[in-house]
Amino acid sequence: EVQLQQSGAELVKPGASVKLSCKTSGYTFSNYYMSWLKQMPGQNIEWIGNIYGGNGGTGYNQKFKGKATLTVDKSSSTAYMDLSSLTSEDSAVYFCARRVAAIGGFDYWGQGVMVTVSS
Amino acid sequence: DIQMTQSPSLLSASVGDRVTLSCKASQNIYKYLNWYQQKLGEAPKLLIYYTNSLQTGIPSRFSGSGSGTDYTLTISSLQPEDVATYFCQQYNSWNTFGAGTKLELK
Repeated sequence: EVQLQQSGAELVKPGASVKLSCKTSGYTFSNYYMSWLKQMPGQNIEWIGNIYGGNGGTGYNQKFKGKATLTVDKSSSTAYMDLSSLTSEDSAVYFCARRVAAIGGFDYWGQGVMVTVSS
Repeated sequence: DIQMTQSPSLLSASVGDRVTLSCKASQNIYKYLNWYQQKLGEAPKLLIYYTNSLQTGIPSRFSGSGSGTDYTLTISSLQPEDVATYFCQQYNSWNTFGAGTKLELK
């Protein structure tokens, strides 16, 4: 069974950074892209970027370049996203999701993690 | 960037109704269009990929159609468990999502 397990909720101060994790199981990590997506309360979903589990190659939404950095640890089948220089606009739920290149869609999702930026 | 516009933003329907949700792209996306269902407090679930292909495990009452800039998700007979927000996503050029259609029971 494919599973994506995300780390717990974060409360961080403005200007700080946070690192989110997404531990996977049930499939060959290196054969798929992992995407990260942002959803602010009651709002639509924004795609942040992709990282390929095999070689760590990345692609980013221009809006999130400099804000988000995606990495992987193949040995533990875990994907990470660093968010830097946090502001209130970064308060949101962040999802990791497995991307299937052939269909351009996200077939398995993590449960989401709430990041709250507040002093 | 390709913009995706969904309509209506809120739809009220009765159990058993045929329901149609629309998604319009700002330019031709060549059927590179997926649909997701998101229930309150949950992650989105992939329903339809490449405009009209049903994802494994999704009930056959869900179907998709469209081409060019205009796409539709249809639920042939609405069930109580279909109450959710539905998002379209284009992947012709990177990825963008529509703002969603919230579907509620009348």
